[in-house]
Amino acid sequence: QVQLQESGPGLVKPSGTLSLSCSVSGDSISSSNWWNWVRQPPGKGLQWIGEIYHSGVTHLNPSLKSRVTLSVDKSNNHFSLKLSSVTAADTAVYYCARSNIVGTILLFDYWSQGTLVTVSS
Amino acid sequence: QAVLTQEPSLTVSPGGTITLTCGSTSGAVTSAHHPYWFQQKPGQAPRTLIYDTSDKPPWTPARFSGSLLGGQAALTLSGAQPEDEADYYCMVSYSGVRVFGGGTKLTVL
Repeated sequence: QVQLQESGPGLVKPSGTLSLSCSVSGDSISSSNWWNWVRQPPGKGLQWIGEIYHSGVTHLNPSLKSRVTLSVDKSNNHFSLKLSSVTAADTAVYYCARSNIVGTILLFDYWSQGTLVTVSS
Repeated sequence: QAVLTQEPSLTVSPGGTITLTCGSTSGAVTSAHHPYWFQQKPGQAPRTLIYDTSDKPPWTPARFSGSLLGGQAALTLSGAQPEDEADYYCMVSYSGVRVFGGGTKLTVL
């Protein structure tokens, strides 16, 4: 059974950097899957942040691209998100998710439970 | 960047049929955009109902189906159950970049 679990501060100061890690169990971060970050501001809809492959190749949301860094840690089987210059608008529940290759298409099959990150002084 | 439009809210009677749609400000949604549909219940992570327009993961009930209708992605629920009350989000891919729709709040009443 694949499980994803985020970790990181629940409170970040404005202008600071939000850092989250997603630990993967039941699968190798080096498998043929993509690893995603999705966020959801309180009471609002979903926003895709980006995805990373174990090789380090990334696809990022253009609206966040200048502030987002995704990385993979193969030795510890986790992947990470850094979002810089945060404002209150970055307050959201952050999810990490696996997208599994099925034929030639990616299926988002496993999600973390989500973690609320609040940007406030 | 394209904006995906969904009905903000819809209501269906138990046992009824309803279709949710997902349009794009950038033109027609096609199979090349590999549309997805996600269901999200309060306090839970989203889960995939449909991927690549009409494919279903093993956990998706048979009463859900995906299609393309008039340049939009569509999710049809046939025989609504009380447990189908949830938020539904479409997502499409533009050359590796994924965009979510604003979501539809579906009430079963």
